[in-house]
Amino acid sequence: GAVVSQHPSWVICKSGTSVKIECRSLDFQATTMFWYRQFPKQSLMLMATSNEGSKATYEQGVEKDKFLINHASLTLSTLTVTSAHPEDSSFYICSARDLYSEAFFGQGTRLTVV
Amino acid sequence: AQTVTQSQPEMSVQEAETVTLSCTYDTSESNYYLFWYKQPPSRQMILVIRQEAYKQQNATENRFSVNFQKAAKSFSLKISDSQLGDTAMYFCAFMKLSGIQGAQKLVFGQGTRLTINP
Repeated sequence: GAVVSQHPSWVICKSGTSVKIECRSLDFQATTMFWYRQFPKQSLMLMATSNEGSKATYEQGVEKDKFLINHASLTLSTLTVTSAHPEDSSFYICSARDLYSEAFFGQGTRLTVV
Repeated sequence: AQTVTQSQPEMSVQEAETVTLSCTYDTSESNYYLFWYKQPPSRQMILVIRQEAYKQQNATENRFSVNFQKAAKSFSLKISDSQLGDTAMYFCAFMKLSGIQGAQKLVFGQGTRLTINP
């Protein structure tokens, strides 16, 4: 299957700082990328859907100004957690697909805010 | 809105046994896909099997097969000859086919934690 690379795998940041997570499709052009958040022992919660070159569509209850999503090219989407706080600590997962394929998932990023 | 329900939070079987994970869903859509994903301790999401709703034949992938009952909106996963490497969280997921092509999103169930014991 296609490969989606997510970076970093884990990150620790200080409260009040911002952190950026990258999601790259390595061998296909991802027209759509999805960002999820997963709490321990829980399911994936969709945060937003991003299409290349347009603004992301956020799910209800997700703060747009807190979680900035950019999908500047067909192979790269970024999630920036701004002014991070301990409650933003979580596991973040991206997935990507082209027009016709299934969704392929990145390895996930464990964010810890201290 | 679509919902996916997995009623078994945890299951445990012995190696080589057969286990069935349950999934039900609610939708008014007629065209959709159903998926089972596996999330091992590494937390990498792995597609196990996919079923197109318009196909009557149940999908199979080696030791994995599904029982798709469209009228009952049921989509169970059977794992035969279970192996230690099958230990993982299993998520059932729904995706409708209407809407903008490529932008259809997955709706996940709550997950079932499956443990295969030696």
